Amino acid sequence: EAQVTQNPRYLITVTGKKLTVTCSQNMNHEYMSWYRQDPGLGLRQIYYSMNVEVTDKGDVPEGYKVSRKEKRNFPLILESPSPNQTSLYFCASSLGPGNYNEKLFFGSGTQLSVL
Amino acid sequence: AQKITQTQPGMFVQEKEAVTLDCTYDTSDPSYGLFWYKQPSSGEMIFLIYQGSYDQQNATEGRYSLNFQKARKSANLVISASQLGDSAMYFCAMREGPDDKIIFGKGTRLHILP
Repeated sequence: EAQVTQNPRYLITVTGKKLTVTCSQNMNHEYMSWYRQDPGLGLRQIYYSMNVEVTDKGDVPEGYKVSRKEKRNFPLILESPSPNQTSLYFCASSLGPGNYNEKLFFGSGTQLSVL
Repeated sequence: AQKITQTQPGMFVQEKEAVTLDCTYDTSDPSYGLFWYKQPSSGEMIFLIYQGSYDQQNATEGRYSLNFQKARKSANLVISASQLGDSAMYFCAMREGPDDKIIFGKGTRLHILP
């Protein structure tokens, strides 16, 4: 089954404790992206990647890192989480780049709480 | 400047009525795609419908249609004969440009009343 697998589904952590949210897709998509969703702000793009070893900042990259060593994986790393990073996070993938008619496939989301 | 604007934070609609969710966009790129996603209370993102900038006809998918007015830069979602299960958050999104950014609006929360 074609899917984007995101883990964990829920995560509670404390300020400053490094964490990684994993994302993997099995559709051979070039394009992968991370979004955070906050009430009243919609989905905001954190980072995206158009292919292996190519990553770019989205609109809210501060406090986050990503890597794209393999085509299928695109982990999101919070080196020193802070409470303002409490949010619902989505990983998504798509054909690309340049395929503006291709929809995003989303993971099931990660609800992160930073205490 | 916001590239995707959804002006209705929340809407209440009677069951079986048609509903229109507004979306306006801003781009100077001639090639772009417009998407609508539904997010029910369970949280997953469900793709509903797509419209390409070069498409001559409005997109339709079952009860969903997209009212695409290119000159006005609007891409409103129309849901015909609304159902209780349509209660959800709805997001409009645009994909454009050589950097392939995909931008979302802030969403509209739709409530269908029995």
